[in-house]
Amino acid sequence: EPEVTQTPSHQVTQMGQEVILRCVPISNHLYFYWYRQILGQKVEFLVSFYNNEISEKSEIFDDQFSVERPDGSNFTLKIRSTKLEDSAMYFCASSESTPGEQYFGPGTRLTVT
Amino acid sequence: DAKTTQPPSMDCAEGRAANLPCNHSTISGNEYVYWYRQIHSQGPQYIIHGLKNNETNEMASLIITEDRKSSTLILPHATLRDTAVYYCIVRGHSGNTPLVFGKGTRLSVIA
Repeated sequence: EPEVTQTPSHQVTQMGQEVILRCVPISNHLYFYWYRQILGQKVEFLVSFYNNEISEKSEIFDDQFSVERPDGSNFTLKIRSTKLEDSAMYFCASSESTPGEQYFGPGTRLTVT
Repeated sequence: DAKTTQPPSMDCAEGRAANLPCNHSTISGNEYVYWYRQIHSQGPQYIIHGLKNNETNEMASLIITEDRKSSTLILPHATLRDTAVYYCIVRGHSGNTPLVFGKGTRLSVIA
């Protein structure tokens, strides 16, 4: 069964550094999303992406964040100048249609020290 | 903010049906009810969704009241692997709308 994959599974970085979280959505899906979950808290929407542009973003998704689909398979989330409060699980999701069912990856645990 | 209300936790005996309620009294006519679950710290997993008719798939059944103000997710024969946080989400069907997660219901299946 096709699935969304994410790398790395765990990323440790120092405050102020840039990180790139990578996702490979399901191959025939056209809609892509990033969510995050701070430990013990709710899953929060960050951004949705379609046709090589951002469809919608939350207030969390400020200038520190950017997304890109650099090729036909990867979907990345870049966090510039990381802060301690960016420590969270970051989930990528994709869907074939909109709104449609979203399929989530296993997540990347980001730890900012 | 989430537009749904769910009990924070529930227990269910293994092999019995788990019935998870959800209130969504402010749901509008074009909004669907979605259910997802999250096992431990894994990515949320889609379960089922519906508009007004009851729905069933290989994982669960979704019962939506006639006034659409509440729904119940039914896991017919709960197993230990069904222990998870279950999220009821109301979502429009226009545009690339994101999922808005609440706190969900933590279901514990007990042997």
